[in-house]
Amino acid sequence: EAQVTQNPRYLITVTGKKLTVTCSQNMNHEYMSWYRQDPGLGLRQIYYSMNVEVTDKGDVPEGYKVSRKEKRNFPLILESPSPNQTSLYFCASSPGAVNTEAFFGQGTRLTVV
Amino acid sequence: ILNVEQSPQSLHVQEGDSTNFTCSFPSSNFYALHWYRWETAKSPEALFVMTLNGDEKKKGRISATLNTKEGYSYLYIKGSQPEDSATYLCALTDNQAGTALIFGKGTTLSVSS
Repeated sequence: EAQVTQNPRYLITVTGKKLTVTCSQNMNHEYMSWYRQDPGLGLRQIYYSMNVEVTDKGDVPEGYKVSRKEKRNFPLILESPSPNQTSLYFCASSPGAVNTEAFFGQGTRLTVV
Repeated sequence: ILNVEQSPQSLHVQEGDSTNFTCSFPSSNFYALHWYRWETAKSPEALFVMTLNGDEKKKGRISATLNTKEGYSYLYIKGSQPEDSATYLCALTDNQAGTALIFGKGTTLSVSS
């Protein structure tokens, strides 16, 4: 089954404790991206990747890192999480960057206390 | 920062009603327009990707139109059913940024039986 898999689905952590949210897709898509969803705001892009070893900042990259060492995986790293990073996070992949539909993961609800 | 506006923010209809929502965007920045359906506790799913002025797309009882010159898209649902209850997101691919999906805040539809 074609899918985008995120882990974990839920996470409560403390300020400053490094964490990684994994994202994997099995559709051989070149383009992958991370979004965060906050109440009253639309989905906002954090980082994206056009292909292996090619990543770039989205609209809200501060406090996040990503890597794309393999085509299928695009982990989101929070080196020192802070409470303002409490949010619902989505990973997405698509065959191309522009006019192809995006496939979203199940979401990760992160709480930083 | 580009603004993608969706209206109304929410609406409540009775089963069998037909309804429509609006997505507005800066026409000068248009590259592609996406519609997604997001059910509670699930991940957003693509409905349509539209690129040409005058495009009309249909999937079952849901259809969408696109006017790139005046910067808007309509999503129509004919004969709403309770299972249509969801948040409907539109997203613009900007011809300047090229790769980011700029999401509106969504229209939340509730259908009562």
